[in-house]
Formats: sequence, C-alpha cells, structure tokens
Amino acid sequence: ETGVTQSPTHLIKTRGQQVTLRCSSQSGHNTVSWYQQALGQGPQFIFQYYREEENGRGNFPPRFSGLQFPNYSSELNVNALELDDSALYLCASSVDRGGEQYFGPGTRLTVT
Amino acid sequence: GEDVEQSLFLSVREGDSSVINCTYTDSSSTYLYWYKQEPGAGLQLLTYIFSNMDMKQDQRLTVLLNKKDKHLSLRIADTQTGDSAIYFCAESPLLTGANNLFFGTGTRLTVIP
Repeated sequence: ETGVTQSPTHLIKTRGQQVTLRCSSQSGHNTVSWYQQALGQGPQFIFQYYREEENGRGNFPPRFSGLQFPNYSSELNVNALELDDSALYLCASSVDRGGEQYFGPGTRLTVT
Repeated sequence: GEDVEQSLFLSVREGDSSVINCTYTDSSSTYLYWYKQEPGAGLQLLTYIFSNMDMKQDQRLTVLLNKKDKHLSLRIADTQTGDSAIYFCAESPLLTGANNLFFGTGTRLTVIP
C-alpha cells in the first residue's frame, strides 16, 4: 500500500510568483486536506477536498486555491506569493471526510 | 474559536516515562489525536481517543482525557532515544463537517541517553 506522497520536496520562489504543489492520496482514500506549517508552529488547516469538491476551508485568503482530480490526487495553488507564505505544506488523506488523516512528508516552500 | 495549547519543551532520561500535556477549548470535539513529527518529516499519527472515552492504551502509549477540564495527555512508557521528536495534539470539532484538525504548537521531547 502506497502512502501519501507530495511533490516537489523543496521549492524556492520569488515574491509575487505563483506555485503549484501536488499530493497523491493513499490508496482507497477519497479525501485530501491541506495544511500550512510555519516554522516552530503547528499545522494550520487550509482546506479539504472530498470527491473533487471543496469541503471546508480555514482562514486563508482566496489566493490559496485547490483542485482534486478523479483519482483523488490534489493540487494546492498559491498566487501572488508573499514572504509569509514560506512554510512546510502538508497534505493528508483520509477515508471519507471523517476519517483519520494520514500525512505526507510535506513540501518546503521558501519565498524570497 | 478553537485553541489548543501545549508546553513547548520536555526532557526525560532514557527508560523513564514521558508525559506530554495538552489543553483545548472546543467542548464539541469528537476526536483528539496525537501526532509525532521528526526533523524534516511529515506527521505520523500515533493514536487518538474518542471524546466519550477516558483512557486508551496502545503498547507503550497511554492517552488520558479529562473532558471536564478539557485536558489531554500522552504518556510514553520506557522512553527511548528514538522517541525524540515534536509531539502535536490535535482536536477535531464536531460541527465543521470537514474534519479539519486544529493543532497545538507542539511539544519538543528530548530523550537524554
């Protein structure tokens, strides 16, 4: 059974640019949640996708957007990058919306 | 809103028990979780407890929940150097529908050989 995978591992972008992060969910999971973890902090919920629809959103501006595909993999897009967007971005998959969440290794984004 | 608090640091000697504490504010939480994060890695789900339970034991891990005081603890018996990591507690509020997790800031556990 393959676990949750994320790509890329690391990424460096310039302020104002756009970025796309990718996540493949664990086999049999139809729900993906995205979290932002700033240095020294706990993860913060960005949004969740369930069967290709957004199913809940945290306190993040609209420039954070996402997609889920028919195979339940997901993308997180961030437009107009700001320095404060530098963080570890984690995705987690689960069996349905209420299931235990299993996390990928994360993508480390640095905005300069 | 939801607020989850943890102490930042804990040091224990190898072989001793570790107790990591967490307080939360949302009384509607259904599940409470403990995750482990090693340097440069994602989060590993260690264990969880349903809100109508007081205690859950899983090998070296014991979770205690005091719902009245909104206090959660994780006890690690016979702590090993491999247990050195950051431990996060997280709550899952009942009514959000999205099962989004609210995390504490994490407790860095250092195990001294």
